[in-house]
Amino acid sequence: KAGVTQTPRYLIKTRGQQVTLSCSPISGHRSVSWYQQTPGQGLQFLFEYFSETQRNKGNFPGRFSGRQFSNSRSEMNVSTLELGDSALYLCASSLVGDLGDGYTFGSGTRLTVV
Amino acid sequence: AQKITQTQPGMFVQEKEAVTLDCTYDTSDPSYGLFWYKQPSSGEMIFLIYQGSYDQQNATEGRYSLNFQKARKSANLVISASQLGDSAMYFCASRDTGGGNKLTFGTGTQLKVEL
Repeated sequence: KAGVTQTPRYLIKTRGQQVTLSCSPISGHRSVSWYQQTPGQGLQFLFEYFSETQRNKGNFPGRFSGRQFSNSRSEMNVSTLELGDSALYLCASSLVGDLGDGYTFGSGTRLTVV
Repeated sequence: AQKITQTQPGMFVQEKEAVTLDCTYDTSDPSYGLFWYKQPSSGEMIFLIYQGSYDQQNATEGRYSLNFQKARKSANLVISASQLGDSAMYFCASRDTGGGNKLTFGTGTQLKVEL
């Protein structure tokens, strides 16, 4: 079966611009989470969506937002990009997000802000 | 709040040898799950193994096993018969019911398998 698909794989943006990243979860998975990975801060949780509703949110500024569609596909948006937003953004899907549910990650989108 | 500590930034192991990657966790929730992921240079996080806090036996998945010591709050990953393809970054992560549906990751251990 198809895994978690993230597009695009690579992105270069200029400071001040905005960007939208996409994540298509495994078919049947209803929970989608987003993580930011940087060399300095490691892996940090951004937010989680379940049935089109944000269920949990990490400690990121309001410039980071997301949404989930009825087919469980999710997008995250970063507005007014800063150099520090350069990172690998990983999306993970799970069935319902229960404690024992496995998370399957995508290959990530590598964002570079110049 | 959950916290995961991985004290080994880098490890070397010879091919076909076993290696243990350390992980300690801190959570006040009695119900939690522990995960290990592998991240090769391509960036994708690959799930390796899961241990639930109420599981009586240590989890095993092929060459991977989890040495779960609840009283010590440790969940070390053991890789047996290391292969060159095991060279990657390894992350320990936890999730508990109080923290919402999110994974808290450690800082990772870079494993290099040598001939």
